[in-house]
Amino acid sequence: NAGVMQNPRHLVRRRGQEARLRCSPMKGHSHVYWYRQLPEEGLKFMVYLQKENIIDESGMPKERFSAEFPKEGPSILRIQQVVRGDSAAYFCASSPVDGGHQPQHFGDGTRLSIL
Amino acid sequence: SQQGEEDPQALSIQEGENATMNCSYKTSINNLQWYRQNSGRGLVHLILIRSNEREKHSGRLRVTLDTSKKSSSLLITASRAADTASYFCATDWSNTGKLIFGQGTTLQVKP
Repeated sequence: NAGVMQNPRHLVRRRGQEARLRCSPMKGHSHVYWYRQLPEEGLKFMVYLQKENIIDESGMPKERFSAEFPKEGPSILRIQQVVRGDSAAYFCASSPVDGGHQPQHFGDGTRLSIL
Repeated sequence: SQQGEEDPQALSIQEGENATMNCSYKTSINNLQWYRQNSGRGLVHLILIRSNEREKHSGRLRVTLDTSKKSSSLLITASRAADTASYFCATDWSNTGKLIFGQGTTLQVKP
């Protein structure tokens, strides 16, 4: 499967726990975007990363959220001390081109539920 | 907010009819993109129209862009039941390619 792979597809956490969401971009893509989608809404940009660099994190909440894209391995979106309001679908997209301006290829998302 | 707005929010048509969805946005853009999302799935890219283009076709899809009105429309001709999905417009306005999505139009095509 050459598409964007996200895991897990569904993640359930209790308030206060940590959530780790993984994204493997398409082969040959080195640019990753994370978006969050609340029910019945469009996607909202969170962060844009290239290998080992955060390029734009203007959409990331200031606390509890962090993202990385290491030289080896998938991109990780980490949410510490989760709260009910973190319940959402989190989508990763990848692009082959520096700076974007090209179609983005999306994974099927991770649906995070907070009990 | 630079987020676009789409209308209608929901659209229900019969198979074979045409579906038109509209999108408005607020800032200058590099390009505007349309995506489809089936229930429980990720987004699938449909078409990209650059700021210097006015119309683009892809199969049964036709997209127009009016930068003076900051609006775009997506026309799906001869709709099929398989076109049932949510459709989102997204504007690429920054140097990084991050997308700003509209709220989406939910399309139901009845067989």
